[in-house]
Amino acid sequence: EAGVAQSPRYKIIEKRQSVAFWCNPISGHATLYWYQQILGQGPKLLIQFQNNGVVDDSQLPKDRFSAERLKGVDSTLKIQPAKLEDSAVYLCASSPTGEETQYFGPGTRLLVL
Amino acid sequence: QKEVEQNSGPLSVPEGAIASLNCTYSDRVSQSFFWYRQYSGKSPELIMSIYSNGDKEDGRFTAQLNKASQYVSLLIRDSQPSDSATYLCAVSNAGKSTFGDGTTLTVKP
Repeated sequence: EAGVAQSPRYKIIEKRQSVAFWCNPISGHATLYWYQQILGQGPKLLIQFQNNGVVDDSQLPKDRFSAERLKGVDSTLKIQPAKLEDSAVYLCASSPTGEETQYFGPGTRLLVL
Repeated sequence: QKEVEQNSGPLSVPEGAIASLNCTYSDRVSQSFFWYRQYSGKSPELIMSIYSNGDKEDGRFTAQLNKASQYVSLLIRDSQPSDSATYLCAVSNAGKSTFGDGTTLTVKP
């Protein structure tokens, strides 16, 4: 079974630029999560989807971050404009329906200069 | 107060010893508890899940849960250098998970 796929793996941008990350969850997993992990901290939930509906986006900085999950499968997370403090690893995870165990992708490491 | 708190570490144990990792949480109605291992530069992977009070054993790993004390722990017996990683505690309620900041464990040969 293929795992969670993410791209790109690394991205370097300058502040005020925009960036987008892509995630493809494990086939059949209804729940998809985007996390931000700053060095030395635990993953912080940005947004959680159940199929193509948003379950929780309370910690998503909506003035600059947006996410969508069209057709309830893959998802994109966008930052526009980026700030220095957005430098982090962005993790995508998915869970099967009815389960809370999360399967993480390899992450995208973002550096904002 | 953080929702999920872990000993910041780092924790260092000799090879073959027992490593004890602790986690406390503030949401009394939390229902599900998870331990994830994260190697440096890698993404988290699930080690153990526990849902009811008591102990749950899986190989060299034992998770312990005490809901009254709002406390969950992970014991690693016969620690190996390959266990050196950051261990993340995650607490879930109604499908929403909150992670602690992790405890970094180093197992010295």
